[in-house]
Amino acid sequence: QKEVEQNSGPLSVPEGAIASLNCTYSDRGSQSFFWYRQYSGKSPELIMSIYSNGDKEDGRFTAQLNKASQYVSLLIRDSQPSDSATYLCASVTGGGNKLTFGTGTQLKVEL
Amino acid sequence: EPEVTQTPSHQVTQMGQEVILRCVPISNHLYFYWYRQILGQKVEFLVSFYNNEISEKSEIFDDQFSVERPDGSNFTLKIRSTKLEDSAMYFCASSLGLAGGANVLTFGAGSRLTVL
Repeated sequence: QKEVEQNSGPLSVPEGAIASLNCTYSDRGSQSFFWYRQYSGKSPELIMSIYSNGDKEDGRFTAQLNKASQYVSLLIRDSQPSDSATYLCASVTGGGNKLTFGTGTQLKVEL
Repeated sequence: EPEVTQTPSHQVTQMGQEVILRCVPISNHLYFYWYRQILGQKVEFLVSFYNNEISEKSEIFDDQFSVERPDGSNFTLKIRSTKLEDSAMYFCASSLGLAGGANVLTFGAGSRLTVL
């Protein structure tokens, strides 16, 4: 079973702090990784994608990938209350055509 | 910004009834998907569809499920005889190319199915 694992949280951070969300995956054939944000009752919304080892930055978000450790993370700088949501990690195996999602980590940004 | 449109937003049905969920993918996208999310659980892949045929399906997608692209714009998911455990949010998604790489999936707002 090809799994994507996340801590369900909730992860609570104060406004303005850095939130660090983590994800591990079991399938070494996974090539592409995605972070989606999901507000309660809404659909997943893409935040970041990452395919190569290292860091990828987009505004307040930084995705990190370590294929040797099978580990993906998302850093959110200057966290805002509007960032409060569930963050879903997902992977695609090379040549495949489906996203495998983790259970998501609930983030709460407190005033 | 182009979006994936789903109807209905919420459907309530009796166990054993047939349900059709409809989706209008982004117009130039070639790959179409259905995912579902049972309340409080992870988003699960059901099926992918390309060139008028199923390209991949999960073990969830059994004989009770079918998909169809009846015309140039709609993509439907049919559940033949609904069960209580089919109650979930169903998300349609589309992508320009194969998932992964630069071809990210865009999700619709979802159709909530409640089976009584």
